[in-house]
Amino acid sequence: QVQLVESGGGVVQPGRSLRLSCVASGFTFSIYGMHWVRQAPGKGQEWVAFIWYDGTNEYYSDSVEGRFTISRDNSKNTLYLEMNSLRAEDTGIYYCARDPAIGTGGTFYFDYWGQGTLVTVSS
Amino acid sequence: DIQMTQSPSSLSASVGDRVTITCQASQDINTYLNWYQQKPGKAPKFLIYDASNLETGVPSRFSGSGSGTDFTFTISSLQPEDIATYFCQHMTTFGGGTKVEIK
Repeated sequence: QVQLVESGGGVVQPGRSLRLSCVASGFTFSIYGMHWVRQAPGKGQEWVAFIWYDGTNEYYSDSVEGRFTISRDNSKNTLYLEMNSLRAEDTGIYYCARDPAIGTGGTFYFDYWGQGTLVTVSS
Repeated sequence: DIQMTQSPSSLSASVGDRVTITCQASQDINTYLNWYQQKPGKAPKFLIYDASNLETGVPSRFSGSGSGTDFTFTISSLQPEDIATYFCQHMTTFGGGTKVEIK
């Protein structure tokens, strides 16, 4: 069965960096695009970033463009989110999610999600 | 940017009741609207795509309808295991979510 397991969250001071990981199993990771989606406390979901199945294209929300970098290692079935210059408003649960499109750009549907990892940005 | 307005933000209903949630887009999105279920502490689950198509394995008491700007998500007969937050989504935009509780 499809499984996505995020890790790397924690408490970090404003301005610092953090790297999240998402290990995939139960499907052929290398043929699917992948997303990061976050949820601030008491708020709805917010899309963060998307990367093509082969890593050749990346897309970001305006709120993280220039500070966050999405990447992947298909040999390790792992998705990453490098977060720099963190702000209090980046606090939330970060989910990785699979895009169901195979071998192309994304549909921006999210057919499988992980359980998330909590990032808290606070001094 | 397209905005998605979901209502109500919460509701309380009895087991067996029909439950309806609405999602309104700020502009025409055809039928490109998806619905998800999230139980506390769990990963969100993909329920309905393209406004009315059930994902494989989703119980038939769940349904969706609509096109253009107005969409509806319905649970025909609420079950205890349906207690969750439901949210709509179009591309990079999500609705605010509806928390469904048992009365």
